[in-house]
Amino acid sequence: DIQMTQSPSSLSASVGDRVTITCRTSRYVNTYLNWYQQKPGKAPDLLIYSASSLQSGVPSRFSGRGSGTDFTLTITNLQPEDFATYYCQQTYSTPWTFGQGTKVEVK
Amino acid sequence: QVQLVQSGTEVKEPGASVTVSCEASGYTFSDFYIHWVRQAPGQSPEWMGWINPDSGALNYAEKFRARVTITRDTSTGTGYLELISLKSDDTAVYFCARGADYADAFDIWGQGTLVTVSP
Repeated sequence: DIQMTQSPSSLSASVGDRVTITCRTSRYVNTYLNWYQQKPGKAPDLLIYSASSLQSGVPSRFSGRGSGTDFTLTITNLQPEDFATYYCQQTYSTPWTFGQGTKVEVK
Repeated sequence: QVQLVQSGTEVKEPGASVTVSCEASGYTFSDFYIHWVRQAPGQSPEWMGWINPDSGALNYAEKFRARVTITRDTSTGTGYLELISLKSDDTAVYFCARGADYADAFDIWGQGTLVTVSP
């Protein structure tokens, strides 16, 4: 199985900040890498697919980069509704696996 | 609107089986894969498998292959997940999710079904 390592596990930030989350895969996944946002008690929501494509309806302050084994999710101008947990997911090979999550908290 | 609506909370004893349903609406059920994902308390999501509702083709994660069965009823637009021989560490929220047709990603999720396994 492909292992996913996200960093940091948590971070504290303020409204208006720029936040970057990193995801590293244990093997090459090309650009088969997605990012999801999850709020407590809710299902995850797709933010970014194929490493850098913005899901329809997602604000443009979210962006993704990377290919191969190293990826980033960046949130510019952090908004109150962005405080949540973020997961990366690889879909290059089954079993499709998720990172352990990064919790973005209020500073 | 496009949505997946899952069945309600389940409480089961160890060794029992559980079936979770996932009813699709707002789109053509046969056109999109249905995936099942579970999330144990405080843990990250875990992919369990998918079904192609059109052909019935399946793909299970090896970890669950011996205990899980995914099926569908195209007449009602409903997918099903059956998990047998339940253990306490099967306690989790189980989600169905639609596979996007433009990428290998999950674009629509059900609301989740809590399955608690307890004596």
